[in-house]
Formats: sequence, structure tokens, C-alpha cells
Amino acid sequence: KQEVTQIPAALSVPEGENLVLNCSFTDSAIYNLQWFRQDPGKGLTSLLLIQSSQREQTSGRLNASLDKSSGRSTLYIAASQPGDSATYLCAVLVYGQNFVFGPGTRLSVLP
Amino acid sequence: DGGITQSPKYLFRKEGQNVTLSCEQNLNHDAMYWYRQDPGQGLRLIYYSQIVNDFQKGDIAEGYSVSREKKESFPLTVTSAQKNPTAFYLCASSIPGGVDEQYFGPGTRLTVT
Repeated sequence: KQEVTQIPAALSVPEGENLVLNCSFTDSAIYNLQWFRQDPGKGLTSLLLIQSSQREQTSGRLNASLDKSSGRSTLYIAASQPGDSATYLCAVLVYGQNFVFGPGTRLSVLP
Repeated sequence: DGGITQSPKYLFRKEGQNVTLSCEQNLNHDAMYWYRQDPGQGLRLIYYSQIVNDFQKGDIAEGYSVSREKKESFPLTVTSAQKNPTAFYLCASSIPGGVDEQYFGPGTRLTVT
């Protein structure tokens, strides 16, 4: 059964720093991987989706990479801002199964 | 605006009562999902539906029931058989067979005392 982990569980950085969030999955037969942002008490907002045939996706200051063979994805946030403070979750879709979510990384960007 | 709506935002119930959470989408998506989120844990799938009048159990379906009579609507009933119903409930939708990007509603926080 697919398992998804995220490291670190929490991260606190000063404003302006570049940072990397990690997502690991155990079954490499994935259809896609999606990164989400969740603010406290809110729903999930989709940030980036990487299909299995892709290696990375970019949106503004965000860049997500995918290495299926090693079961890893990273979310790179450039020039972090206090408004980036939120919980970031990754989810993988395995062929013939449903989405499996990681527990999330809680990010705090300090002004 | 296209999107997913969930109501109510907050819901309080006494133990032993059934309660129904609403989820409506106007994205014309075929697939809809219900997840439960507990503090410090990832989302866990309760039920999903790929098409109208059909739905499947997810990983934690015990104590929950759903219906899918319309494409736009996928209500979730939390029954008195659910042992720990207090949680944050999230509804999502997607277009199966394509890119399969999931879109989420704002969530309903259910508190049972």
C-alpha cells in the first residue's frame, strides 16, 4: 500500500530565505503528484501538479520536482514571504487506486 | 465562479445524532470525494464517487454514508455509529482519466459532544 511521508514536519525560516520541502512515497507507479497549500481552518489550494511523465513544474516562486525512481518530490520556494506561512501537503495518485496524502509540513516565515 | 461549496462551515451535534454535511460543485466534474482530517494527520479517504448513482468505500467508511443522485452533489452523513466523529471534513472533485487534478472545498468542522 502506498505510503507518503513529508520531512520536515515543521519549519521556521526568516523572510527572504529559499527553502525546500520534501515528499517521499513508497510505490513509484504513480499517475501524478500534487502539491497543496492549506491555511488554518481552510480547505486545500492546489499549487502544482506533476504528471508521471514530467520531471518538474513551475509557478511563480514555486518549483516542484519529481523523481519517480527514488520515490521523491521536492517543493522549492524562492524568496519566502510571511504570506507563504501555511501547511504544505503532497498527494500521489497511484494507478488503479485513489489519492494518498502526506501529513504535511507546517511552514512559518518570520518577518 | 466555478468551485466547490461545503456547508455549514461549523456544525455542532450531540452524541447519538446523525448529521449530514453538504458538498456541491459546479465544475462539471464526474468524480467527488470525502476526506477526513485530524490534527497532525494527512487526509484519509471516507467515500468516493466516479459517476452519478455509484460510490465506493474509502479507507475509513465505517460509520459514514453517502449518496450521489446528482452530478453536482455528494452529501455525507455521519451516523451515530461513527465512534470519533469530531474532525474537519473536506470534499473534493476531479475529472477522472485526465490530468486528475483535485479541487477542494473550504471544509466543514464537525464537533460532537
